[in-house]
Amino acid sequence: NAGVTQTPKFQVLKTGQSMTLQCAQDMNHEYMSWYRQDPGMGLRLIHYSVGAGITDQGEVPNGYNVSRSTTEDFPLRLLSAAPSQTSVYFCASSYSAGWYNEQFFGPGTRLTVL
Amino acid sequence: GNSVTQMEGPVTLSEEAFLTINCTYTATGYPSLFWYVQYPGEGLQLLLKATKADDKGSNKGFEATYRKETTSFHLEKGSVQVSDSAVYFCALVLPKTSYDKVIFGPGTSLSVIP
Repeated sequence: NAGVTQTPKFQVLKTGQSMTLQCAQDMNHEYMSWYRQDPGMGLRLIHYSVGAGITDQGEVPNGYNVSRSTTEDFPLRLLSAAPSQTSVYFCASSYSAGWYNEQFFGPGTRLTVL
Repeated sequence: GNSVTQMEGPVTLSEEAFLTINCTYTATGYPSLFWYVQYPGEGLQLLLKATKADDKGSNKGFEATYRKETTSFHLEKGSVQVSDSAVYFCALVLPKTSYDKVIFGPGTSLSVIP
């Protein structure tokens, strides 16, 4: 049982480049989400999904796209990277979107945009 | 708006010292409150939670009591160990929102020295 996995762990991009951050979970969780962590600001929700084929925007969605074709995978795409997207990105999942459910986090991807 | 405030630190303590990390919140309605811990190089893990006023969450020697009158959820541990060195996040979840939104504080870095 691997839990929530993320790849890559580290990435350096140039401004304007695109890339996809991968996230997968093997717990059959319905709810998945992406957060970014910035110093002094805690975690902020980027996008989330309540099930395969269903996604919605969080607090800071601009510059990011997501899709959810399977229950297991929830990739995050940066279409044209900007320095403001330098951050640590965490993927999380939970059994359902109910407020009482614990979220399980991946180890994070540290992204630097030059 | 809804928010979580906590001391950012870093906090440095000697082994076996008493720990308090303050957390206060602003929220409409009656949120559930959480403490998450992030060990070096890992994702966040749920440490403890409380879902209503006067509830006490506890785990691994850590405790926190939901104080509605002071809108606080301070984390305490009687005797810290080197292995407790981590970043601690206070968070709240608003019940019955249109989607799950966990609002995180900025995190408090704790370093325990032998």
